[in-house]
Amino acid sequence: DAMVIQNPRYQVTQFGKPVTLSCSQTLNHNVMYWYQQKSSQAPKLLFHYYDKDFNNEADTPDNFQSRRPNTSFCFLDIRSPGLGDAAMYLCATSGGGAAVGETQYFGPGTRLLVL
Amino acid sequence: AQSVTQLGSHVSVSEGALVLLRCNYSSSVPPYLFWYVQYPNQGLQLLLKYTSAATLVKGINGFEAEFKKSETSFHLTKPSAHMSDAAEYFCAVGFQGAQKLVFGQGTRLTINP
Repeated sequence: DAMVIQNPRYQVTQFGKPVTLSCSQTLNHNVMYWYQQKSSQAPKLLFHYYDKDFNNEADTPDNFQSRRPNTSFCFLDIRSPGLGDAAMYLCATSGGGAAVGETQYFGPGTRLLVL
Repeated sequence: AQSVTQLGSHVSVSEGALVLLRCNYSSSVPPYLFWYVQYPNQGLQLLLKYTSAATLVKGINGFEAEFKKSETSFHLTKPSAHMSDAAEYFCAVGFQGAQKLVFGQGTRLTINP
């Protein structure tokens, strides 16, 4: 089945130690998104790629970076995780932008714990 | 500003009762509207979406939603709640000219036996 895959499902890191979360998709979608979701809150968009074009949200901290080496893979790098970065990180894909009604398909998420 | 409001952060109904989750948006131009469901420790799953076809949209798991332009609403309903419907529900809106979805704050649905 075509899907969005996130690895690992749970990630424990130490305060200040760089961590990378990965996302892959078999949908061949050209848009990939990274969201941060804290407990009992809505997902918050960090950035997205439209093909190779990177679009950063204005309030995304510089501590968060992303790479998309090819259509199928996208990575979220947190350079120096703080305790406040503990959250669920969701990857999503779509065949086009939200402005044209394209559905976003979400992965299962990676829950990050910062010790 | 474009916004989405879900009335009620927590809704509790009895098994077999009607489920009604409310969503209102602010826009003069009809947007694209989505309802997603999230079970604990999982990603978001699409329930249904409105893209300017029929105003009554049927989704998975017996849910449906009606787009009412005059009320700028897209409320989610299910005639008879099941225990497995307990989850967090998010209304999301794709506004014309914007590349990202705007999410409501979510409604946690609890089903009482």
